[in-house]
Amino acid sequence: EAGVTQSPTHLIKTRGQQATLRCSPISGHTSVYWYQQALGLGLQFLLWYDEGEERNRGNFPPRFSGRQFPNYSSELNVNALELEDSALYLCASSSRTGPEGPQHFGDGTRLSIL
Amino acid sequence: EDKVVQSPLSLVVHEGDTVTLNCSYEVTNFRSLLWYKQEKKAPTFLFMLTSSGIEKKSGRLSSILDKKELSSILNITATQTGDSAIYLCAVLGETSYDKVIFGPGTSLSVIP
Repeated sequence: EAGVTQSPTHLIKTRGQQATLRCSPISGHTSVYWYQQALGLGLQFLLWYDEGEERNRGNFPPRFSGRQFPNYSSELNVNALELEDSALYLCASSSRTGPEGPQHFGDGTRLSIL
Repeated sequence: EDKVVQSPLSLVVHEGDTVTLNCSYEVTNFRSLLWYKQEKKAPTFLFMLTSSGIEKKSGRLSSILDKKELSSILNITATQTGDSAIYLCAVLGETSYDKVIFGPGTSLSVIP
């Protein structure tokens, strides 16, 4: 069974640019979660998608947005990038609606803002 | 404000030692507590503890939930260098499945 895949592995941008990160969940999983892991900080919940709908978002500004496609893959968009957006962005999927229960994580996208 | 605290933040032990990692939480309407191991990138699931399952064990790893003390411990016996990782504690609260809060993690280094 293929795990959660994320692309790209690394992404380098400059301030003010826009970044798009992609995630493919485990086959059969309908829920996708996005987390930000900044250096020295724990995972911060960003967004939760299920069945194509945004179910909830964490305490992040509106320039963090995303969507889930009919095949359950997901995209995270970050507009007007700032230096503090530099972090590892992790995507996770689960087979149960809602974050209760184990989530399976991808290897993440390392976003660096110069 | 809901929060999850882990201690210690960093730990160095020798192979063969036994370690205990701590997680304490303050969340509204606790539902479950999860432990993850993060080596290079992707956290991998270890245990989930709920009111109906307060103790889990898998090989050399075990975890206990103390709902009265609002805490959990993760024990690793006979540690190996492959146990070196960041151990993350996450707590699910609320009744609307909308909040998963991760602690800062404990960085464990096992030296030969």
